[in-house]
Amino acid sequence: DQQVKQNSPSLSVQEGRISILNCDYTNSMFDYFLWYKKYPAEGPTFLISISSIKDKNEDGRFTVFLNKSAKHLSLHIVPSQPGDSAVYFCAATEGGSEKLVFGKGTKLTVNP
Amino acid sequence: GAVVSQHPSRVICKSGTSVKIECRSLDFQATTMFWYRQFPKQSLMLMATSNEGSKATYEQGVEKDKFLINHASLTLSTLTVTSAHPEDSSFYICSARDPSVSLYEQYFGPGTRLTVT
Repeated sequence: DQQVKQNSPSLSVQEGRISILNCDYTNSMFDYFLWYKKYPAEGPTFLISISSIKDKNEDGRFTVFLNKSAKHLSLHIVPSQPGDSAVYFCAATEGGSEKLVFGKGTKLTVNP
Repeated sequence: GAVVSQHPSRVICKSGTSVKIECRSLDFQATTMFWYRQFPKQSLMLMATSNEGSKATYEQGVEKDKFLINHASLTLSTLTVTSAHPEDSSFYICSARDPSVSLYEQYFGPGTRLTVT
């Protein structure tokens, strides 16, 4: 049972436009969410996170929105750059647990 | 930032042999390290949580006798795939948590591509 779902395996956007990556979860006990970015042949790198007590967190070009009632979060990248092309993983954890549950990832391609 | 290294990056072995993968935290002490496995186009699946000086905690369905984990120091954890079979071929990736920074953020190594022939 996939507790964290990223239903879009891929996304393609033009440079300068907004990229929106979506993530849904089923476990209502999840209370902390993270986004990781992964380049080929490298490990995932932490991008941004959000606690369930917030509905938005912003860091430069990256903003994560959380809709708890819908069990949905999204990552917005504005403006998108070719260097943002990577696989983005959504992850969640619950109640102070050290364990992260990952989605399958979305491959973002930003075209020049 | 926190750096985690993994060695080797790629290994090919014959069926029935054992392979050891090392995971090191280079600039911080990691009391907890995690081992994941990733199949193509799938998510990272947690295999086990490794705590320094104690036995690893394995996720349901992961054979602890097949995937031996040792966390002998605050900067090194090893995963040994024993009696490897072709179905063990996968991408193995470790991560470490720096408790001085965050309870949740994990820093990942670059991964090891294991191919069993």
